[in-house]
Amino acid sequence: DAGITQSPRHKVTETGTPVTLRCHQTENHRYMYWYRQDPGHGLRLIHYSYGVKDTDKGEVSDGYSVSRSKTEDFLLTLESATSSQTSVYFCAIGSMANTGELFFGEGSRLTVL
Amino acid sequence: KNEVEQSPQNLTAQEGEFITINCSYSVGISALHWLQQHPGGGIVSLFMLSSGKKKHGRLIATINIQEKHSSLHITASHPRDSAVYICAVDYGGATNKLIFGTGTLLAVQP
Repeated sequence: DAGITQSPRHKVTETGTPVTLRCHQTENHRYMYWYRQDPGHGLRLIHYSYGVKDTDKGEVSDGYSVSRSKTEDFLLTLESATSSQTSVYFCAIGSMANTGELFFGEGSRLTVL
Repeated sequence: KNEVEQSPQNLTAQEGEFITINCSYSVGISALHWLQQHPGGGIVSLFMLSSGKKKHGRLIATINIQEKHSSLHITASHPRDSAVYICAVDYGGATNKLIFGTGTLLAVQP
């Protein structure tokens, strides 16, 4: 199995509080992705990174920011959580942009009350 | 409207049956992925293909570029195959993102 871990795996928070999810890899892959998964929707890309300090927005980036200060860590931050951000968040890693195998973390379930 | 359509949305089969899950997309792509997600679990990449057919164990994935269609087949299905199967496509270009289908929920009964 690819070495990719997400933390925390479960979190309950209140509206307006900041939240940071961490994705950690031991595979030295260049590409890292944050997705959210909601009922009735396919996985949707929030942000992605193609290298240290190189990040870009996905299709549902509003309300989220990311940082990648080293190859192995990709952080997703909700500056002020809202109930619409209640979701399951998946991190994924890959050696190439979408044209190679992707490895997913186990997901982080976030509930915003 | 999702640009990637999967059918059926739900599928129940008896153990041993041959299963087909379909994925259709709207314009030309550079690659297509099939993924598996067990209930409450993580997501596993099954196949990535851009043409032809790939096989791994009892799983076979095919793609028809002209018809913009891909199928995932499971031979001799088993209850452990019960999961959500997800299709995702890469339309290429500068967007660098995959578009995911909403998944097919498969239940294989013993």
